[in-house]
Amino acid sequence: EAGVTQFPSHSVIEKGQTVTLRCDPISGHDNLYWYRRVMGKEIKFLLHFVKESKQDESGMPNNRFLAERTGGTYSTLKVQPAELEDSGVYFCASSQGRTVLFFGSGTQLSVL
Amino acid sequence: AQSVTQLGSHVSVSEGALVLLRCNYSSSVPPYLFWYVQYPNQGLQLLLKYTTGATLVKGINGFEAEFKKSETSFHLTKPSAHMSDAAEYFCAVSELSNTGKLIFGQGTTLQVKP
Repeated sequence: EAGVTQFPSHSVIEKGQTVTLRCDPISGHDNLYWYRRVMGKEIKFLLHFVKESKQDESGMPNNRFLAERTGGTYSTLKVQPAELEDSGVYFCASSQGRTVLFFGSGTQLSVL
Repeated sequence: AQSVTQLGSHVSVSEGALVLLRCNYSSSVPPYLFWYVQYPNQGLQLLLKYTTGATLVKGINGFEAEFKKSETSFHLTKPSAHMSDAAEYFCAVSELSNTGKLIFGQGTTLQVKP
């Protein structure tokens, strides 16, 4: 069974540009999460989907970040326009219940 | 608010030696506690978890952790380190017990010397 898949694995963009990250959860997992690790800091929660609905988006930094989950399947996280402080590793996770999360390998985003 | 503190951002042990990675948490409700590991170029993988019941929990690859409520600790141990254990380890607590929203510690990088 395929795990959580994230695309791209690395992205390098300039300040002001737009970047879209994609996450494909494990098939059948209704819960999908986005987390971020800024260099040198702890991994922090961004938001939680249950199917296509946003259950909790309390961790989203500001309105430059937009997350969607079309049809309750894959999810995208768009950053527009990107700023230097957005650099970091963005992790996606999915779960069937809410106890054990399965994480993807992350997308390393570098904003120059 | 819940929080997690991992003592030591880097820990170095010799192969065959005891591994001890420290984690302390704060929580106003009974916590769910987790240890995740990230090997180079891979995602986070669950090592073990404590939800309820037995306070000593065993995980994969010979790791175990003990929930000590009086000390608000959940330290990770392994009797004998192997070279393949070199990775970054994260302790996490689940906010409000079972929402899937994890609060992570800062991470501890384990180096295993031959």
